[in-house]
Amino acid sequence: DAKTTQPNSMESNEEEPVHLPCNHSTISGTDYIHWYRQLPSQGPEYVIHGLTSNVNNRMASLAIAEDRKSSTLILHRATLRDAAVYYCILRGPPQGNLIFGKGTKLSVKP
Amino acid sequence: KAGVTQTPRYLIKTRGQQVTLSCSPISGHRSVSWYQQTPGQGLQFLFEYFSETQRNKGNFPGRFSGRQFSNSRSEMNVSTLELGDSALYLCASSLDSSRDTEAFFGQGTRLTVV
Repeated sequence: DAKTTQPNSMESNEEEPVHLPCNHSTISGTDYIHWYRQLPSQGPEYVIHGLTSNVNNRMASLAIAEDRKSSTLILHRATLRDAAVYYCILRGPPQGNLIFGKGTKLSVKP
Repeated sequence: KAGVTQTPRYLIKTRGQQVTLSCSPISGHRSVSWYQQTPGQGLQFLFEYFSETQRNKGNFPGRFSGRQFSNSRSEMNVSTLELGDSALYLCASSLDSSRDTEAFFGQGTRLTVV
């Protein structure tokens, strides 16, 4: 399974943008890049996913490098509720399971 | 629509006993996966079921087993419980298990083995 590398932790101020990086230099052409987050005492929550093009949804934006060896999850205005562990996951065939790494623990300061 | 429901939320069992956990996926979802989360190992994949068939299995001993029913509800069973089985067990449901599909997780079942 292709691996991802993320910083262990990051800090942000409330209402400021947050850029969470992820390196995946061994990504294959058919791997999708998924992001999930886990708030304290809850199950993981889907955030966003993409293949090649940048993606936007109501929660976040996903910027994918042209060579696909890295990606960045962008939270446009961090709130206290965004404090969580963020996981960057590569999902490729044939398996359907998600391979979680250690993720990035995001702290948001008021 | 209703989310993924896991029961029970909390469970305390004695070493050597067996336990069954239940997961009701989102209506219409045919894929159910199970994960174990511990502070030391993080989130680890146990197995995945699709249309009542196990399609994928993680690296866990045979004491861990599961099944899926025709209504897509799933159960996982752990026999001969060990102290190290204490963990949060999470269930995730998806429409299917393709790489272009999002998974929806339940709140989990917190199992404590004493």
